Amino acid sequence: AQKVTQAQTEISVVEKEDVTLDCVYETRDTTYYLFWYKQPPSGELVFLIRRNSFDEQNEISGRYSWNFQKSTSSFNFTITASQVVDSAVYFCALSGTSYDKVIFGPGTSLSVIP
Amino acid sequence: DTGVSQDPRHKITKRGQNVTFRCDPISEHNRLYWYRQTLGQGPEFLTYFQNEAQLEKSRLLSDRFSAERPKGSFSTLEIQRTEQGDSAMYLCASSLGPREGINEKLFFGSGTQLSVL
Repeated sequence: AQKVTQAQTEISVVEKEDVTLDCVYETRDTTYYLFWYKQPPSGELVFLIRRNSFDEQNEISGRYSWNFQKSTSSFNFTITASQVVDSAVYFCALSGTSYDKVIFGPGTSLSVIP
Repeated sequence: DTGVSQDPRHKITKRGQNVTFRCDPISEHNRLYWYRQTLGQGPEFLTYFQNEAQLEKSRLLSDRFSAERPKGSFSTLEIQRTEQGDSAMYLCASSLGPREGINEKLFFGSGTQLSVL
């Protein structure tokens, strides 16, 4: 079965703190893709990153970084020096070669307090 | 590139009525997806198209739900005999089909919020 788990339902941090959002996935595919999407209060889901299962290099984009660990089936997302504009719901998602559709986790609601 | 557009943004209907939503994907995207999202949950897959062909429909989807994508452009999602449990945000997304085996990212519309009274 394919499944995405985001154990943190809600996180609240004070501005400028670092925060890590956890994502654990399950899949039987050997080739698969992991994604993070952001859903701000305005509602529209916005793509942040895609990772394929053969690329375990961590990625950094500005204040965002992602840690992919195949051994623990995790794809965690860290925001450094959080800002109020980072307040949103963040979804981890998975797709694979045996199922083209993208499966989303339940999301983590992040609140950054000024 | 005008993005994915959905119409209407909001729909209020009485139980038992039929409703239809429209989605216009990004023009060069051959894949179109419908998702449903309820408060506090992640998007739940409903169905998707590759051009005009409907490739998969969720087993959780009632027969009251039907989707079409004539000519592989815009898509409609119809719900017949609506029930209060159908109240949700209906999201449409589009993407390029897999290229060289790589699943492309989804571009989402703003959604249609359905309220069934």
